[in-house]
Formats: sequence, structure tokens, C-alpha cells
Amino acid sequence: DQQVKQNSPSLSVQEGRISILNCDYTNSMFDYFLWYKKYPAEGPTFLISISSIKDKNEDGRFTVFLNKSAKHLSLHIVPSQPGDSAVYFCAATRYNFNKFYFGSGTKLNVKP
Amino acid sequence: DVKVTQSSRYLVKRTGEKVFLECVQDMDHENMFWYRQDPGLGLRLIYFSYDVKMKEKGDIPEGYSVSREKKERFSLILESASTNQTSMYLCASTGTSLSEQFFGPGTRLTVL
Repeated sequence: DQQVKQNSPSLSVQEGRISILNCDYTNSMFDYFLWYKKYPAEGPTFLISISSIKDKNEDGRFTVFLNKSAKHLSLHIVPSQPGDSAVYFCAATRYNFNKFYFGSGTKLNVKP
Repeated sequence: DVKVTQSSRYLVKRTGEKVFLECVQDMDHENMFWYRQDPGLGLRLIYFSYDVKMKEKGDIPEGYSVSREKKERFSLILESASTNQTSMYLCASTGTSLSEQFFGPGTRLTVL
């Protein structure tokens, strides 16, 4: 049973516009959430994270929003660039627990 | 910079062969992980290790075993490779539970 879900397998956005990637989780014990970006034939690389004590975390063009009551997080990329085209995974874990749970990924295509 | 290396980028093996995938990290991380990535299924945890000689099963351990004799090295073993083990295998490490995982470049394994 997947505890972290990304229901959109793909997303296509025009360069310069906003990309919004969504992620839902079922386990209310999760208290740390991460987004990774993955290019083909490479390992995932860490992008941004958020602790459950916050509802927003921003890093340059990337912002992650957390809605604990809805068990939902989203990644906003503004403005989107062609180099952002990749597969994005969200992941969740909890304090003092070594296991990470990953979603199935969303493939983002940013069109020039 | 944390570096996680995997012994092979591409491997082709025959059904029934014993396969070793090696992973080495250079940041003295306690925790190491093996995932497989398949289209539409995201990253699924096979095994992880939180210390030398310690290991725990992940979500899909069947058909796999692991070895961690030294802190920096975590090996994944396919005792008798089968075609349904054709996949991308990703190794990761992390120092604490609330920090990002660092991934290796992945090994694309094809079992014929």
C-alpha cells in the first residue's frame, strides 16, 4: 500500500510559466518531506525539503507547500525553465526513523 | 561533496546468474539503502542498513540479499537473477533520519 502518492504521471508547462507538482500521503506520522529531481540515467538529486512544523519553504525558484490537514504537499517552480524537465519524486519520513517513502514520480516537460 | 558511487552503470546478466551490485559512500554515513526504480512504481526500498553488519528488509526484499561488512560499502546480491529483476537499481546514503538521502548514479540491470 503506497503511503506516498503522486497521481499525475506527467505534466507539460510552457517556459516561464509556473509548474505545480502535487503529492499526497496517508501516514499522519510523517514529519519530514522532500522533493528530488531525476534526469534519465542519473540518480535522484535532492531539491528541497520541509518539516511538518512549517507550511512553506522557499529556495530560489522552488517553493514547497505543506497542508497537514489535507496530507498534501506541492512543489511550485516559478518561472519554469527547459532545464527543469525531469522526473520529480516526493518522499516522506519521520523523526528517528531511517526509512523514506517515495511517490511514483511526475515527469515534467518544460517547453521552450 | 558527498559522493555515492556504484560499481557499474550497465549490466547484462543471464537468468540464474548470481549478481553483485556494489555501492560505496565517502561521507561516513551510518545509513545506506538499496532501491529499485520501475516505470509507474517510483522508488521501492529493497533493503537498508543503519550500521555495519546490520540490515533490515524494505518493501520488496524477495530474491535479494545484502552485505555491509564496512561502513562505507553496501552490497546488493541477487542470488539467482530472474527476468523480473530487470530494473534500475539505486543506492543511497544518509547521515541522520532528517536529512536528505544522497543517491548514486544507478545501475541499469538487464536479465536475459
